[in-house]
Amino acid sequence: DGGITQSPKYLFRKEGQNVTLSCEQNLNHDAMYWYRQDPGQGLRLIYYSQIVNDFQKGDIAEGYSVSREKKESFPLTVTSAQKNPTAFYLCASIGSGYTFGSGTRLTVV
Amino acid sequence: DQQVKQNSPSLSVQEGRISILNCDYTNSMFDYFLWYKKYPAEGPTFLISISSIKDKNEDGRFTVFLNKSAKHLSLHIVPSQPGDSAVYFCAATTRFISSGSARQLTFGSGTQLTVLP
Repeated sequence: DGGITQSPKYLFRKEGQNVTLSCEQNLNHDAMYWYRQDPGQGLRLIYYSQIVNDFQKGDIAEGYSVSREKKESFPLTVTSAQKNPTAFYLCASIGSGYTFGSGTRLTVV
Repeated sequence: DQQVKQNSPSLSVQEGRISILNCDYTNSMFDYFLWYKKYPAEGPTFLISISSIKDKNEDGRFTVFLNKSAKHLSLHIVPSQPGDSAVYFCAATTRFISSGSARQLTFGSGTQLTVLP
């Protein structure tokens, strides 16, 4: 079945550590997106990529980094510079419509 | 500045009655609107959409209405069922502008719908 796989589902990070969230899709979609969800807020765009080896900052890119070396993969690194990383992270890709992954909940301990 | 607003953070409805979720937008460039349903710890799932050339789109129990002059859209669910209890997000985008941010979705803050048995 085609879809988007995000892993892990739950992730705990110590303060000062970088962590990488995985997003893989087998939908052959060119465009991929990372969103962050906080309680009581909508999904906010972190980074997006329209094509391999190219990506753009979204509205809240500070403290995050991405890469797009393969069409299928768009990993997000939450760096130690991100001041409030605890959130629910969603990856999406777009073809004829948006498809979302099931999300990763990151908690800083 | 929130370009897409869902002013009701929560809504409770009796099973079998109509649920009406509202959404307002400020960016007149938006020309395509979507509703997503989200359960806790899961990704949003697409429900229904509407293009700005229409004022109504219906799919089973779900109907979306668009009032362009008021920059307002609403999602009607009838009859409401307990399984409809979830957070509903309104989203908007501009589909036909060839910019780097084209087709980026702008989301509202969501409305938690609770359908009471």
